[in-house]
Amino acid sequence: DIVMTQSPDSLAVSLGEKATINCKSSQSVLYSSNSKNYLAWYQQKPGQPPKLLIYWASTRKSGVPDRFSGSGSGTDFTLTISSLQAEDVAVYYCQQYYSSPLTFGGGTKVEIK
Amino acid sequence: EVQLVQSGAEVKKPGESLKISCKGSGYSFTSYWIGWVRQMPGKGLEWMGIIYPADSDTRYSPSFQGQVTISADRSINTAYLQWTSLEASDTAMYYCARQDGSGQPSDYWGQGTLVTVSS
Repeated sequence: DIVMTQSPDSLAVSLGEKATINCKSSQSVLYSSNSKNYLAWYQQKPGQPPKLLIYWASTRKSGVPDRFSGSGSGTDFTLTISSLQAEDVAVYYCQQYYSSPLTFGGGTKVEIK
Repeated sequence: EVQLVQSGAEVKKPGESLKISCKGSGYSFTSYWIGWVRQMPGKGLEWMGIIYPADSDTRYSPSFQGQVTISADRSINTAYLQWTSLEASDTAMYYCARQDGSGQPSDYWGQGTLVTVSS
């Protein structure tokens, strides 16, 4: 199985400031034949199901605010919230869908400082 | 509007059986995979497996193979997750989610079904 490791486990950021979450995979999730990274990011607010934010490492799902961005390739990825809003308080998970079983990172809790 | 509506919360005793459901609407149910994800209390997400309702092709995570059964009834646009003998460690929230391919992310999620197993 591909192991996904997120850091930090939690972070507190002031409103309007930038939040950065890291995700590392135990092996590359870059598929050479199409040059796509099989990496997604999800947001889970308390008491709600997860919501897909980003796929292919950097493609925002329709309707997701552009303050959310994803970057990285191969084994190292980053989710950035450029200007934290109160409604962004949540746990964020990365997921690889390169190989079965699909696996998630342990999650990063984002709070307001 | 794409919707996945799951069955309600369940309270069961160890050793009992259970089948929970996930009904899809607003899209072609047989054109997408449905996956199941476990979230134990206060913990992260675990992918359990997926099914393609058009032909019932099913894939399991090795961690869940033999522990649960995933099935689907395409005539009523519904996928299922079932246990034959529950354990206390099965206590968790279970989500169904749609995948546009067996190796794709989950773009729509059900609201979750809370399963509590306690004597």
